Amino acid sequence: DQQVKQNSPSLSVQEGRISILNCDYTNSMFDYFLWYKKYPAEGPTFLISISSIKDKNEDGRFTVFLNKSAKHLSLHIVPSQPGDSAVYFCAAGPGNQFYFGTGTSLTVIP
Amino acid sequence: NAGVTQTPKFQVLKTGQSMTLQCAQDMNHNSMYWYRQDPGMGLRLIYYSASEGTTDKGEVPNGYNVSRLNKREFSLRLESAAPSQTSVYFCASSDQSGGSEQFFGPGTRLTVL
Repeated sequence: DQQVKQNSPSLSVQEGRISILNCDYTNSMFDYFLWYKKYPAEGPTFLISISSIKDKNEDGRFTVFLNKSAKHLSLHIVPSQPGDSAVYFCAAGPGNQFYFGTGTSLTVIP
Repeated sequence: NAGVTQTPKFQVLKTGQSMTLQCAQDMNHNSMYWYRQDPGMGLRLIYYSASEGTTDKGEVPNGYNVSRLNKREFSLRLESAAPSQTSVYFCASSDQSGGSEQFFGPGTRLTVL
């Protein structure tokens, strides 16, 4: 059974608006949560992370929120840009290994 | 710096053939990982090596073996390929195993007929 779920396979957003990508996990022992971005025919690239001792982490246009009681995290991109169009994976784990979600394909419309 | 490199980029095998996927990193990272990505499944960890000389099973290790040849190199071997192993394989490395970001290679697209 999937330990990390991204229930929205795709998302379309207008340029300049906020993109919100969601991720749920099942294991309360997970301590680390990461977001990766992936373009076709390339490997994933790291975007932003958060540990279980925090509930928010910000890096420029990207903010990750963690709700431990709900076992839910989200990635906010503000403002969204056409170059943000890619597949976004969330990953969660205890630290020595990570479980990935199935990805959300984000399209930012100019 | 080349980062994480993988060879080959593409490979077609017949059922029962063997092959080794090569991975090298030049970032002096301690930890290295092998994942596979299948449609609708996300990335699943096959094996990882927390440090030189150690390897551990991940989520889907059956049908694979690994070798951490030295700090730079981590290879994945398919002894007897099966069609179910058709996938895109990614190698990754990280500075430490405790939640650090992983740097991924470009992937190897493997087809087993």
